[in-house]
Amino acid sequence: AQKITQTQPGMFVQEKEAVTLDCTYDTSDPSYGLFWYKQPSSGEMIFLIYQGSYDQQNATEGRYSLNFQKARKSANLVISASQLGDSAMYFCATNYGGATNKLIFGTGTLLAVQP
Amino acid sequence: GAGVSQSPSNKVTEKGKDVELRCDPISGHTALYWYRQRLGQGLEFLIYFQGNSAPDKSGLPSDRFSAERTGESVSTLTIQRTQQEDSAVYLCASSLVGGRQDTQYFGPGTRLTVL
Repeated sequence: AQKITQTQPGMFVQEKEAVTLDCTYDTSDPSYGLFWYKQPSSGEMIFLIYQGSYDQQNATEGRYSLNFQKARKSANLVISASQLGDSAMYFCATNYGGATNKLIFGTGTLLAVQP
Repeated sequence: GAGVSQSPSNKVTEKGKDVELRCDPISGHTALYWYRQRLGQGLEFLIYFQGNSAPDKSGLPSDRFSAERTGESVSTLTIQRTQQEDSAVYLCASSLVGGRQDTQYFGPGTRLTVL
């Protein structure tokens, strides 16, 4: 069964600096997707970035990039030039192997951006 | 366009009562998902609808939980004889077709408190 591990319960970063949030996954399925979501204190889950298992290049979306290392089964999120508004919970997720596209989520990392 | 909407945003109920939670997906999205998020935890999959296919109910925690969806529109999640452990945020998501590369977009959630 698929599993997502986020080992950093909390992280601090200074405004304007870059930060890496760790995510490792465990799957036997050759075809899968990896997703990162942001959850601010308001509670809504905001999609940030997607990486497919067959994608050759690392995904990028503005200040977000995904450091995909398939052999290590890691999919770390890199946020460049952190902003105060980046303070939130960040969840890594993967598709469940099988007929449906249900997501398996990690336990999240709480990021605090300091001025 | 309009995102996923959910109602009510908050629901407080007494133990033993039934509750109904509503989700309006993004127009044109054929796949709809329900997740549960307990305090301080990641999301747990509950149920998945895709078009006219039989729903994937594998995540429903007990027979007190049920969900319906009419065509490709509104879905309702019903919890009968609520228990205190049902207290959580219930999040609905929709995606275009439910494929592996499909991004799920989440609603704001319904915060359920069972007294």
